[in-house]
Amino acid sequence: QKEVEQDPGPLSVPEGAIVSLNCTYSNSAFQYFMWYRQYSRKGPELLMYTYSSGNKEDGRFTAQVDKSSKYISLFIRDSQPSDSATYLCAMSANQAGTALIFGKGTTLSVSS
Amino acid sequence: SAVISQKPSRDICQRGTSLTIQCQVDSQVTMMFWYRQQPGQSLTLIATANQGSEATYESGFVIDKFPISRPNLTFSTLTVSNMSPEDSSIYLCSVGWAAYEQYFGPGTRLTVT
Repeated sequence: QKEVEQDPGPLSVPEGAIVSLNCTYSNSAFQYFMWYRQYSRKGPELLMYTYSSGNKEDGRFTAQVDKSSKYISLFIRDSQPSDSATYLCAMSANQAGTALIFGKGTTLSVSS
Repeated sequence: SAVISQKPSRDICQRGTSLTIQCQVDSQVTMMFWYRQQPGQSLTLIATANQGSEATYESGFVIDKFPISRPNLTFSTLTVSNMSPEDSSIYLCSVGWAAYEQYFGPGTRLTVT
């Protein structure tokens, strides 16, 4: 079993839809949970992070962490064509900035 | 945040040759990382490059194949040595102050023929 599992999609939704992206993990030591967005032929861009369990909201984006289920989610409200990208979850067991463990990424396409 | 540039942005190389990728950051950072992104695979950490000390390599990656330099706090290089088609990938550098604050460069797209 891989440490982080993420459905690669692709996921296609119409503009305005609510999108749910998810990752599961096996290492209970993970404490920091990040979401990155990667446009085609670009580097990953940090969207948001959550420490331990709970929710965090930033504009149209909401990150949720359920450590008891080892499950994290990213919700995108009122999705836009500009949200079309690959979304990567990443995790770390410590704050010190050492290795992040990534999921494979989910490719999202939002049609207008 | 940090602004990171990489050179070259892409290259096509012949089997058996080596390529050095440069990573430049617009501010001083302690930790720099080199990742590989293969098609359909997760981003995988190759090594951590710390200024003033040798790079720390992850399991499956060795210094002879991926030598790294870190001459100062704003610059690092990764060399992919004795390349084979299996080395075709995107190579990314990143910098970070914490696990939740890592920023990536645009990547170098390498094709080995």
